[in-house]
Amino acid sequence: EDQVTQSPEALRLQEGESSSLNCSYTVSGLRGLFWYRQDPGKGPEFLFTLYSAGEEKEKERLKATLTKKESFLHITAPKPEDSATYLCAVSSWGATNKLIFGTGTLLAVQP
Amino acid sequence: SQTIHQWPATLVQPVGSPLSLECTVEGTSNPNLYWYRQAAGRGLQLLFYSVGIGQISSEVPQNLSASRPQDRQFILSSKKLLLSDSGFYLCAWSLDGQGYREKLFFGSGTQLSVL
Repeated sequence: EDQVTQSPEALRLQEGESSSLNCSYTVSGLRGLFWYRQDPGKGPEFLFTLYSAGEEKEKERLKATLTKKESFLHITAPKPEDSATYLCAVSSWGATNKLIFGTGTLLAVQP
Repeated sequence: SQTIHQWPATLVQPVGSPLSLECTVEGTSNPNLYWYRQAAGRGLQLLFYSVGIGQISSEVPQNLSASRPQDRQFILSSKKLLLSDSGFYLCAWSLDGQGYREKLFFGSGTQLSVL
């Protein structure tokens, strides 16, 4: 069964304190791995797509990387506005319309 | 530009009552449409998806149903709500094709409380 596990569940950082969020996955034939950001009471917002091991994507203070078993979302010098829940999801070639989401990491950046 | 509308934002319903949540997309044609549910402490769970008018795929057997009466309209329904139906319901759309199908654009969600 396809599965996504995110850690930690919650992370509190000081402004400027860099860190990484982890997404471990088990999937039969990875089609893609996806990162979303979700603010409280809102729908998730798409951040990145990664397709193959070794691939990296960057956007402002965020960088996503992918290996054969996990993905990391690196946050460099975070600001309070980066506070949100970060969701990881995978899709497989056997079910291309179905994203399997992890439970997310709740990030709080203190000023 | 494309926009997605989902309503209502909040809903409190008694057990056994019916449900109808509506979602519409503007600015695109023939989108893939999705209903997800997000329960506290759990990941987003895909309930239904549709690749075209009248085409509905169900991912989780339950007392919910979905319909797509028009190209850009997606409706989630129930005849009799259960306590376990409480949660945050999200409608989403995507384009078809490699690199687009999993890039979902979500609505603002409906917080459903069944009492």
